[in-house]
Amino acid sequence: QSVLTQPPSVSAAPGQKVTISCSGSSSNIGNNYVSWYQQLPGTAPKLLIYENNKRPSGIPDRFSGSKSGTSATLGITGLQTGDEADYYCGTWDSSLSVECVFGTGTKVTVL
Amino acid sequence: QVQLQESGPGLVKPSETLSLTCTVSGGSISSYYWSWIRQPPGKGLEWIGYIYYSGSTNYNPSLKSRVTISVDTSKNQFSLKLSSVTAADTAVYYCARASRNWGWRGGYYYMDVWGKGTTVTVSS
Repeated sequence: QSVLTQPPSVSAAPGQKVTISCSGSSSNIGNNYVSWYQQLPGTAPKLLIYENNKRPSGIPDRFSGSKSGTSATLGITGLQTGDEADYYCGTWDSSLSVECVFGTGTKVTVL
Repeated sequence: QVQLQESGPGLVKPSETLSLTCTVSGGSISSYYWSWIRQPPGKGLEWIGYIYYSGSTNYNPSLKSRVTISVDTSKNQFSLKLSSVTAADTAVYYCARASRNWGWRGGYYYMDVWGKGTTVTVSS
């Protein structure tokens, strides 16, 4: 019962682009920064995007983040089979006094 | 580069206390915020809380009454204790390094270094 809603799954062919949405409210996404994590099967999450649109060193520019109002979006271009994973958004929630809330997660499938 | 490693019992009995330790190597624990996150089987991520090297903490309100996070800077370790566990606490537990700040532009909290995770099962 996360306060951040993501689509359960998205899919596309190799080389194509996918976008993953993360919908929240003014108490979380609307007034705070968003981060994104990739979790490959059986592994720990990995930071992909922080502060809405910044990429840590080593993350390719195929991954991008944006935010508008109370929603955020992760984009993946040039989709590769190695991108098959679960993706989670995360942010601060002021009303719940929870410094870190995660989205429901999205499974990306490369067709 | 900084690496994190969780350790602790993989099986805990109901009503007992779950205890895990995270060892930080390749860097000092005396900066950043050190977090615990868990993931029940087949489910999403849940933030448990953090500790700063100075000892200040903040916990998820949903777990606050049962959680204690502590730090031992001399050993470069921080620890999690979760009391009165039930089957619902069965999960993979991750430790992670976090950056956080709160300002007039809003707050951010993100984790850039994670341990591999350790599975804890609550069962008699």
